[in-house]
Amino acid sequence: ILNVEQSPQSLHVQEGDSTNFTCSFPSSNFYALHWYRWETAKSPEALFVMTLNGDEKKKGRISATLNTKEGYSYLYIKGSQPEDSATYLCAFDSNYQLIWGAGTKLIIKP
Amino acid sequence: DAGVTQSPTHLIKTRGQQVTLRCSPKSGHDTVSWYQQALGQGPQFIFQYYEEEERQRGNFPDRFSGHQFPNYSSELNVNALLLGDSALYLCASSLASGNTIYFGEGSWLTVV
Repeated sequence: ILNVEQSPQSLHVQEGDSTNFTCSFPSSNFYALHWYRWETAKSPEALFVMTLNGDEKKKGRISATLNTKEGYSYLYIKGSQPEDSATYLCAFDSNYQLIWGAGTKLIIKP
Repeated sequence: DAGVTQSPTHLIKTRGQQVTLRCSPKSGHDTVSWYQQALGQGPQFIFQYYEEEERQRGNFPDRFSGHQFPNYSSELNVNALLLGDSALYLCASSLASGNTIYFGEGSWLTVV
């Protein structure tokens, strides 16, 4: 059974601080790794689709790295703002199917 | 350009009943996937449709079935509803694997 683990489950961060969290996934049958941001009562919003080992992607204050050989990806948020409060989900793409982690719930304290 | 649209947004059904949820993919997308999300969990993959055929299926019983129409829209059917089927059902569309996937806002199903 393919499993995707995200840690921590939840995270409280002071506004202005930087933070990061982890997505662990199977190192075989890798096709892509997706990161999504999900705010309550909204559709999940795509952040990154990562396909190459060693890849690093950036979108504003958010960036992500990928290690397909060891099966992990990190998501970084620099200078957290209240609007960053959301659940961040990663999904392992083995072609045809996405296997999702349970998410990291990020709460930014003003 | 409309994104992924789902209907209904909320519904309540009784145990044993059947339900049909509908999804229209983002314009130009030919692949539709369905997910179930229970409270506190990540989305669980139900199945994916491409060219009107079920291409891949997750670990869901046969009570869960689907269909894709020539215009790429899709339906999710659940028969003999159980209380445990209460969840948010998400539809997602894409062009192919490895590309950005767009989600609808989901259909909240409550089984009583």
